[in-house]
Amino acid sequence: RKEVEQDPGPFNVPEGATVAFNCTYSNSASQSFFWYRQDCRKEPKLLMSVYSSGNEDGRFTAQLNRASQYISLLIRDSKLSDSATYLCVVPRNDYKLSFGAGTTVTVRA
Amino acid sequence: ETGVTQTPRHLVMGMTNKKSLKCEQHLGHNAMYWYKQSAKKPLELMFVYSLEERVENNSVPSRFSPECPNSSHLFLHLHTLQPEDSALYLCASSQGGPQETQYFGPGTRLLVL
Repeated sequence: RKEVEQDPGPFNVPEGATVAFNCTYSNSASQSFFWYRQDCRKEPKLLMSVYSSGNEDGRFTAQLNRASQYISLLIRDSKLSDSATYLCVVPRNDYKLSFGAGTTVTVRA
Repeated sequence: ETGVTQTPRHLVMGMTNKKSLKCEQHLGHNAMYWYKQSAKKPLELMFVYSLEERVENNSVPSRFSPECPNSSHLFLHLHTLQPEDSALYLCASSQGGPQETQYFGPGTRLLVL
């Protein structure tokens, strides 16, 4: 089993729609999780960190399910500017971390 | 944003060349990282430096040689690379280890001919 797995998508959604996708992880000891956003040919940028059961920032909600070992990201009221690849990141111990391959979201007008 | 800068942004090199990638962070962070991002693959962590000491070397071939002269600068020295080493090389920094938010530079897009 891969350390971090994501549905690659793409998720094609109309503006204003809600889209959600998951990231599963294998290390049950992981304590913190991150969602990064990466635009085409750009560097990843932090979208949200998750240290407990979840986090919410405006239209974005991340939820952590420790029992099933997955983190979800939900985007409400999608904007064209939300089109990007969303990377799930799971630190493993002090100096190791694993990236998922990313979930591509395309929001269409 | 100029928190983490990388030079050059693009590099084309032959398999016999020697080149170096440079990363500089202006955020006062104490940890720096090198990543490789190949097409359709997850980011691969290559090296981690904490307080200028290498704390992680993720089974990277010796043709990649990192150097961290101080907490703000990180280099990746390249020699006798292979075409499969062509990728985007990203530098990142954080205050503390990978449990903290990482800030990425824009990357160096490398092509090995």
